[in-house]
Amino acid sequence: EVQLVESGGGLVKPGGSLRLSCAASGFTFSSYSMNWVRQAPGKGLEWVSSISSSSSYIYYADSVKGRFTISRDNAKNSLYLQMNSLRAEDTAVYYCARVTESYDSTRKQYYYYMDVWGKGTTVTVSS
Amino acid sequence: EIVMTQSPATLSVSPGERATLSCRASQSVSSNLAWYQQKPGQAPRLLIYGASTRATGIPARFSGSGSGTEFTLTISSLQSEDFAVYYCQQYNNWRGAFGQGTKVEIK
Repeated sequence: EVQLVESGGGLVKPGGSLRLSCAASGFTFSSYSMNWVRQAPGKGLEWVSSISSSSSYIYYADSVKGRFTISRDNAKNSLYLQMNSLRAEDTAVYYCARVTESYDSTRKQYYYYMDVWGKGTTVTVSS
Repeated sequence: EIVMTQSPATLSVSPGERATLSCRASQSVSSNLAWYQQKPGQAPRLLIYGASTRATGIPARFSGSGSGTEFTLTISSLQSEDFAVYYCQQYNNWRGAFGQGTKVEIK
């Protein structure tokens, strides 16, 4: 079964740090780019960060750039998000998601989409 | 930065009726647009990618259309399990911005 399982969430004080993990199983993890997406309480989805399959390409949302670091260990089938200098507005459920690439030969175009999601881990930043 | 705008914020529909959801991009994203469904307490689920291709296992009552900056998700005959929040997301660049969501509720 294709599965992603996040862990590492919890309660942390403003200015603190937390490291999230995402364990992948049931597919060849090293072949896929991966994303972190978060959702604040009662709010919509927010893309946080992306990492390519070999870690060659890494991108961050402006809201977390300079504070969060995405990484992966393909030997351990794991994705990570190191979160430093946490703020109250970082409070959210954090999801990891697999990015699949698909080629449309009719339109001669590549498409990318998140087709596998974990259940999420909750991060609460509060004093 | 590409900004995605969805409308309406809430759509009240009776079971069996058609629902039409809109998504607009601030600049062209070609056909690199996906739709996700999210129910309370659950992770999002992929419905549509490439603006119009249904993901594996998604019923035919869900259809997507559009390209460039204007996109539509249509649910042809709403079932009870379709009442949820729907998000569009562009993936024309690596920074995959989401729309703010449309909640489809029972009328």
